[in-house]
Amino acid sequence: GAVVSQHPSWVICKSGTSVKIECRSLDFQATTMFWYRQFPKQSLMLMATSNEGSKATYEQGVEKDKFLINHASLTLSTLTVTSAHPEDSSFYICSARALDRGPYFGPGTRLTVT
Amino acid sequence: DAKTTQPPSMDCAEGRAANLPCNHSTISGNEYVYWYRQIHSQGPQYIIHGLKNNETNEMASLIITEDRKSSTLILPHATLRDTAVYYCIAQSNNAGNMLTFGGGTRLMVKP
Repeated sequence: GAVVSQHPSWVICKSGTSVKIECRSLDFQATTMFWYRQFPKQSLMLMATSNEGSKATYEQGVEKDKFLINHASLTLSTLTVTSAHPEDSSFYICSARALDRGPYFGPGTRLTVT
Repeated sequence: DAKTTQPPSMDCAEGRAANLPCNHSTISGNEYVYWYRQIHSQGPQYIIHGLKNNETNEMASLIITEDRKSSTLILPHATLRDTAVYYCIAQSNNAGNMLTFGGGTRLMVKP
């Protein structure tokens, strides 16, 4: 079946630095990918919709200059958390849609900002 | 997107069938019912989806009422590894549409 991968699976960074998270669809092309964030004991919250070859669409309250999204190919989208702060520590999950069924989700990236 | 309502938690004995209910009384005609589950610290795993007919795959069965206002996910023989949060989502099957997650049901399978 379709598989979505994320890299890295976990990362620790210092406050003020930037972190890039990759999301890849391994055996299908995804024109649209989605980025979610999940805090402990909470549900997934959509951050942005990533469209191949165009600008991402951000949900209300999500700073586009802080969370940079690039969807340069049909199999890769990246999320860069710029000038990370401890409150950005969270579980970041991407998903990609295939034509034959509902979205597949990546395994998630746990970000800890110290 | 139609709002879904699920019980926050359920218990099930290992080896028994787990029946997880979901209400989606405002679902529209073009919205599918999707089920995902999330095991701790992992991304959501697709289970099954359907429009109006009952569906079955290797993981589970999905029973949708005739009026489509509710559905039930059935895990026929629950194992300890089925302990997870189960999300029911009503969404149109459009490639550009994201899935909106509610609170889900935390299923605890007990030995």
